[in-house]
Amino acid sequence: GDSVTQMEGPVTLSEEAFLTINCTYTATGYPSLFWYVQYPGEGLQLLLKATKADDKGSNKGFEATYRKETTSFHLEKGSVQVSDSAVYFCALSDPPGAGSYQLTFGKGTKLSVIP
Amino acid sequence: DVKVTQSSRYLVKRTGEKVFLECVQDMDHENMFWYRQDPGLGLRLIYFSYDVKMKEKGDIPEGYSVSREKKERFSLILESASTNQTSMYLCASSGVGLATDTQYFGPGTRLTVL
Repeated sequence: GDSVTQMEGPVTLSEEAFLTINCTYTATGYPSLFWYVQYPGEGLQLLLKATKADDKGSNKGFEATYRKETTSFHLEKGSVQVSDSAVYFCALSDPPGAGSYQLTFGKGTKLSVIP
Repeated sequence: DVKVTQSSRYLVKRTGEKVFLECVQDMDHENMFWYRQDPGLGLRLIYFSYDVKMKEKGDIPEGYSVSREKKERFSLILESASTNQTSMYLCASSGVGLATDTQYFGPGTRLTVL
């Protein structure tokens, strides 16, 4: 079945440091790929998505590129802020309209940014 | 913007009680989902519904049931709450066609069963 593996946390960075959170997946076909973010005490928010190979999703300074050849969707940000402290989830689903409605999540990576 | 609301942010119940968690979405989405989130286990799908009165089991349906009488509302029911159901419960919804792949989440309900 489908699966998502993301780097174990927690990750602690200083403000303005470069962030990479690795995510790899196993799936048949061409899944849609997502990064969700969960701030303390809140639900998940969609951060970015990509639906086909070489697509780059971006939002709030975060980026991730859909790499079919390495089955990866690594999250990056050039300069993190304290307000980016949260748990980040990588996820995949079947392509839009494919009929299966389920998301498969990684276990999450907790990021703490210190001033 | 899609808005998914859940009836309570925090809930404390006693073992054996019947518990109702309510979720409402305002985007006319066909699909709705219930997850639980536990440390070290990530998110696990309990049930989902792709239409009114329709439901499908997810990965961990035991001890739970659901109800979807109206399109915008999806309820999770714990028939007889147990301490191992203490968790964060998250509701989500998604559309149809090209919008099926993206789920929008509510703020979550943190349930404690004593």
